Amino acid sequence: NAGVTQTPKFRILKIGQSMTLQCTQDMNHNYMYWYRQDPGMGLKLIYYSVGAGITDKGEVPNGYNVSRSTTEDFPLRLELAAPSQTSVYFCASTVSNQPQHFGDGTRLSIL
Amino acid sequence: DQQVKQNSPSLSVQEGRISILNCDYTNSMFDYFLWYKKYPAEGPTFLISISSIKDKNEDGRFTVFLNKSAKHLSLHIVPSQPGDSAVYFCAASDGSWETSGSRLTFGEGTQLTVNP
Repeated sequence: NAGVTQTPKFRILKIGQSMTLQCTQDMNHNYMYWYRQDPGMGLKLIYYSVGAGITDKGEVPNGYNVSRSTTEDFPLRLELAAPSQTSVYFCASTVSNQPQHFGDGTRLSIL
Repeated sequence: DQQVKQNSPSLSVQEGRISILNCDYTNSMFDYFLWYKKYPAEGPTFLISISSIKDKNEDGRFTVFLNKSAKHLSLHIVPSQPGDSAVYFCAASDGSWETSGSRLTFGEGTQLTVNP
């Protein structure tokens, strides 16, 4: 049982480039979330999904897009990378009345 | 507007003693509180939670206390062990699963170091 899997683990981007952070879970969880964690800060919610085909903005959605075409996958898209998006990104999933399970993160640097 | 605050960035204790980590919140709609533990280069892992209808929840060495009137919760670890050294995050939710997936608001984290 792999849980929540995030790829890649590390990535360096140039300003203006785009990329997709992948997140997949094998627990048949309907709820999925994307967070970013900046140094010395807590996790901030970027986007979340309550089920396939349904997504909504979190606290810090600007500069990001998501899609949820299947229960298992919840990719996060950066269209025009900016230095302010340098961060560690965490994906999480859960079902009702259970705590969220997190992946091990993607460390992204934009130079 | 920081709705969940952990005012101590770091805490250092001796092995075998008690560790007390604190968390304050401002949103009265929060009704479910969690503590997560995070090791370097790993994702947060769930540790313990408490519903607003309780004031204490215990799981082995870990106990969470909730004071709703003060909007304050604390995590007690007794006895502390070197393997407990990690960053601890407090998180809160308003429990609205249908509309917002019971989204979590996190504090900034407290780095706990347990010295042998």
